Amino acid sequence: DGGITQSPKYLFRKEGQNVTLSCEQNLNHDAMYWYRQDPGQGLRLIYYSQIVNDFQKGDIAEGYSVSREKKESFPLTVTSAQKNPTAFYLCASSMGGGTSDVNEQFFGPGTRLTVL
Amino acid sequence: AQSVTQLDSHVSVSEGTPVLLRCNYSSSYSPSLFWYVQHPNKGLQLLLKYTSAATLVKGINGFEAEFKKSETSFHLTKPSAHMSDAAEYFCVVSYTGRRALTFGSGTRLQVQP
Repeated sequence: DGGITQSPKYLFRKEGQNVTLSCEQNLNHDAMYWYRQDPGQGLRLIYYSQIVNDFQKGDIAEGYSVSREKKESFPLTVTSAQKNPTAFYLCASSMGGGTSDVNEQFFGPGTRLTVL
Repeated sequence: AQSVTQLDSHVSVSEGTPVLLRCNYSSSYSPSLFWYVQHPNKGLQLLLKYTSAATLVKGINGFEAEFKKSETSFHLTKPSAHMSDAAEYFCVVSYTGRRALTFGSGTRLQVQP
């Protein structure tokens, strides 16, 4: 089965702790994305990566970090610098292409992070 | 700024009646437009997409949307609502030169029996 997996489904963190959210895809997609979703709002882009070993900040990158060492993996670290990290985090991927090429994004099931 | 506006945060219909979810986008030379659906605590699933082909786009589960450039709109419709259609719907735009997507704030569809 091809798809995107995110783990864990639920995550609890104490204030001041860093935590890493996993995202893996076996769709052979070049591009991967991290979004944050808050109640009553659409998704906001945190980081994205168009190719291995390269990534770009999105609209709300402060307090987050990513890596893209492998094509299939794009982990997101929520650092203690993120002031309000409680949210639903969604990972997505799409086929490669230039910036003028738009491809459908496929989404994982999400991770709900709660700061205690 | 590039943006997309979903005109209703909440829509309630009776089962078997038509569904209309409204979306307007800021103008661009060649936007690509999508509708995604999200069931509670789930990821997003693509319903349909417009990429400058036919202006009336048919999607999954009986949904369709019409691209109207003059009105900068991309409203989502379905002739007859089903209970399983109850979910959050997002209108999404991609603009040339910007790889990531711009999301509307979502419309929660409630279907009454």
